[in-house]
Amino acid sequence: EAAVTQSPRNKVAVTGGKVTLSCNQTNNHNNMYWYRQDTGHGLRLIHYSYGAGSTEKGDIPDGYKASRPSQENFSLILELATPSQTSVYFCASGEIGGQDTQYFGPGTRLLVL
Amino acid sequence: GDQVEQSPSALSLHEGTGSALRCNFTTTMRAVQWFRKNSRGSLINLFYLASGTKENGRLKSAFDSKERYSTLHIRDAQLEDSGTYFCAADMSNYNVLYFGSGTKLTVEP
Repeated sequence: EAAVTQSPRNKVAVTGGKVTLSCNQTNNHNNMYWYRQDTGHGLRLIHYSYGAGSTEKGDIPDGYKASRPSQENFSLILELATPSQTSVYFCASGEIGGQDTQYFGPGTRLLVL
Repeated sequence: GDQVEQSPSALSLHEGTGSALRCNFTTTMRAVQWFRKNSRGSLINLFYLASGTKENGRLKSAFDSKERYSTLHIRDAQLEDSGTYFCAADMSNYNVLYFGSGTKLTVEP
């Protein structure tokens, strides 16, 4: 089973501060994803990546940047955090097509004060 | 966009009973995935279907791409089945998933 880890697991940030959420996967999947999960909205896609050096905008990219420096690592960056970005963030990895599912990390709880 | 409509938003079951969750899609989807979010907040993969049905224990899922819906049936519900269930639809060849808003299932004694 794919292993996806996230750090930190919990984060408190101040408005206007910079926040970096990190994700690491060990199954050599090409694709990685960042979602946020909010009550009433389910999971929404922020950014995703097809491989090292690639970042693509998802459904709600505003206020977020992403970085994929390697196959294993995919970061989500909030340059100027706002209280509206308080949420739970999930990273996932998967392969293109086939029968592979997306494998999710445990989530990161972010509170922006 | 609202490509995935999930219902009901909340469901309460007594132990030993069953019910079904449903997701309707506004367009043709390549595949569907079902997850359960546990009490620790982690997402657990339940099923991935490109067509037909799959069964795992007390859970059974079906996907009809042509009719644009998927269902998740739970039978003989147990207390540990409580949690929020999400369907997610795969629209493309790049395995990007579009999620429903979730169903909060509460199983009571």
